Amino acid sequence: AQSVTQPDIHITVSEGASLELRCNYSYGATPYLFWYVQSPGQGLQLLLKYFSGDTLVQGIKGFEAEFKRSQSSFNLRKPSVHWSDAAEYFCAVGPLGGGYNKLIFGAGTRLAVHP
Amino acid sequence: EAGVAQSPRYKIIEKRQSVAFWCNPISGHATLYWYQQILGQGPKLLIQFQNNGVVDDSQLPKDRFSAERLKGVDSTLKIQPAKLEDSAVYLCASSFGGDTQYFGPGTRLTVL
Repeated sequence: AQSVTQPDIHITVSEGASLELRCNYSYGATPYLFWYVQSPGQGLQLLLKYFSGDTLVQGIKGFEAEFKRSQSSFNLRKPSVHWSDAAEYFCAVGPLGGGYNKLIFGAGTRLAVHP
Repeated sequence: EAGVAQSPRYKIIEKRQSVAFWCNPISGHATLYWYQQILGQGPKLLIQFQNNGVVDDSQLPKDRFSAERLKGVDSTLKIQPAKLEDSAVYLCASSFGGDTQYFGPGTRLTVL
């Protein structure tokens, strides 16, 4: 069955520290992969996406993610976290190709940032 | 470019009442999605439209939920009658060509 697992429900880091949010997926084919961020009371904002090519993708707000096919992972990283990064982060997977992209989301990781 | 618009932002109703949500996608986006996000969970797709036709409604509880997109632009999602477990944020998203989805701010529904 297709699924996305975000093992960490809640993470707390200090401002300026590095960050890695984990995402593992189960999918029958090569997927599209996404990371979205959701601030309180807001919708989801796309951080970055992987469709093909270079397995290290750069996104907005200084985030990057690396696709590792052998580990079925797509972890999100940021070298130095800012207080404004506190939010909930969702990893999602969708079918590669085709016109209709049904996304499957993980349960999310809530990030808290200490000053 | 204007984003995905949704209204209302918040709604509180009693169980067994009905409620409707409205979504206006980004101009030119043919694909429109409705998601349900229960507290502590990721969004779950309820229904997906391509223009005014339904592509996927496999997870829509059709005994109480309905959705339409009559002119292939804006859409409404209705719940009748509402149950306590329908309390959630209802997110609308749209995409051009079915790849990257852009989300609206959502409607937070509380059923008492």
